[in-house]
Amino acid sequence: NAGVTQTPKFQVLKTGQSMTLQCAQDMNHEYMSWYRQDPGMGLRLIHYSVGAGITDQGEVPNGYNVSRSTTEDFPLRLLSAAPSQTSVYFCASSYVAGGNNEQFFGPGTRLTVL
Amino acid sequence: AQKITQTQPGMFVQEKEAVTLDCTYDTSDQSYGLFWYKQPSSGEMIFLIYQGSYDEQNATEGRYSLNFQKARKSANLVISASQLGDSAMYFCAMRGVDSGGGADGLTFGKGTHLIIQP
Repeated sequence: NAGVTQTPKFQVLKTGQSMTLQCAQDMNHEYMSWYRQDPGMGLRLIHYSVGAGITDQGEVPNGYNVSRSTTEDFPLRLLSAAPSQTSVYFCASSYVAGGNNEQFFGPGTRLTVL
Repeated sequence: AQKITQTQPGMFVQEKEAVTLDCTYDTSDQSYGLFWYKQPSSGEMIFLIYQGSYDEQNATEGRYSLNFQKARKSANLVISASQLGDSAMYFCAMRGVDSGGGADGLTFGKGTHLIIQP
């Protein structure tokens, strides 16, 4: 049971380049989400999904796209990278139902946009 | 909209002392969950403790306890007998429900940087 995995761990992009951050989980969680963490800030929700084929925007969705074709995978796409997107990105997953629906976090991807 | 406020940017505590990290929240949801996460310098997010809005007892997990005062909208984390390994960032977070009644994403506070001194 690998939990939540993210690739790559580190990435440097030039302004205007596009790329996809990968996220996968093997816990059969319906809920998956992406957060970004900037210095001195807590994590902020970018996009989330409550199941395959269903996605929705979080607090800071601009500049990012997501899709959910399978339960296991939830990739985050940067369409045209900007320096403001330099951040650490975390993927997380959980069950949807109420109660102690703890979110399990991946190890993070550190992205630098030059 | 939900909001989490952590008013202590940093704290220095002597080893073996108890620590209280403050967290207040604001929400219009009737059902919600409150979480504390630890982020060491290595960067991973480690779940510590959870409190549901309808839970009557304060949550406890080993040396961690959550002092939940619903009327005051506070959810302070208490660490008993602090250890050097407790030095880290600590984030309070809230999870509400979305319009469909399912779990929503987490809203985080800005965190408290806790340093345990020998």
